[in-house]
Amino acid sequence: SQTIHQWPATLVQPVGSPLSLECTVEGTSNPNLYWYRQAAGRGLQLLFYSVGIGQISSEVPQNLSASRPQDRQFILSSKKLLLSDSGFYLCAWRDLLAATVGDTIYFGEGSWLTVV
Amino acid sequence: QKEVEQDPGPLSVPEGAIVSLNCTYSNSAFQYFMWYRQYSRKGPELLMYTYSSGNKEDGRFTAQVDKSSKYISLFIRDSQPSDSATYLCAMSEYSSASKIIFGSGTRLSIRP
Repeated sequence: SQTIHQWPATLVQPVGSPLSLECTVEGTSNPNLYWYRQAAGRGLQLLFYSVGIGQISSEVPQNLSASRPQDRQFILSSKKLLLSDSGFYLCAWRDLLAATVGDTIYFGEGSWLTVV
Repeated sequence: QKEVEQDPGPLSVPEGAIVSLNCTYSNSAFQYFMWYRQYSRKGPELLMYTYSSGNKEDGRFTAQVDKSSKYISLFIRDSQPSDSATYLCAMSEYSSASKIIFGSGTRLSIRP
């Protein structure tokens, strides 16, 4: 079965410090991968998505970046964090096997980032 | 106009009540429709998905899609306190590069 791992679960970072969140998926090949952010009391904001190694699409211009160095690894980074970067970051993968399970997206447990 | 609209709530109902959660959308090309449940400080988990119009039942949960009205619903029968969570609808046109669009979520509270 497929699983998704995301870490760290919680972190507190000072303004101006770098960020690296990592996500890996097991049990599937060539998944679509996503980074979402969910601010307190708000919906999911798509930040980046990737349809393959080295292929990154950015949805929101900001000081964050994403990379996909391996098929099942997705990394969210920042060189200098802002206060506004605080939020709940979710990695997700997409199952494209429409014949069996439909077009669905599965989330990791999330990473809580507080920028102070 | 947002592509997907969802009443944020909060919605509070007594235990055992039938709950109706709804979303409207504007893109007639959407084909797949999903409902997610999100407990506090956790990632959303997939509850149900449906393709095109019609109903789908899974235990106490029923998902309904009316493409002619661009309206989807999730019904919860015999609601339990453990159903208290935020419920998000999501939908897509379906292709390898198409986006999945989420509603902003409805916060539901079931009173014992």
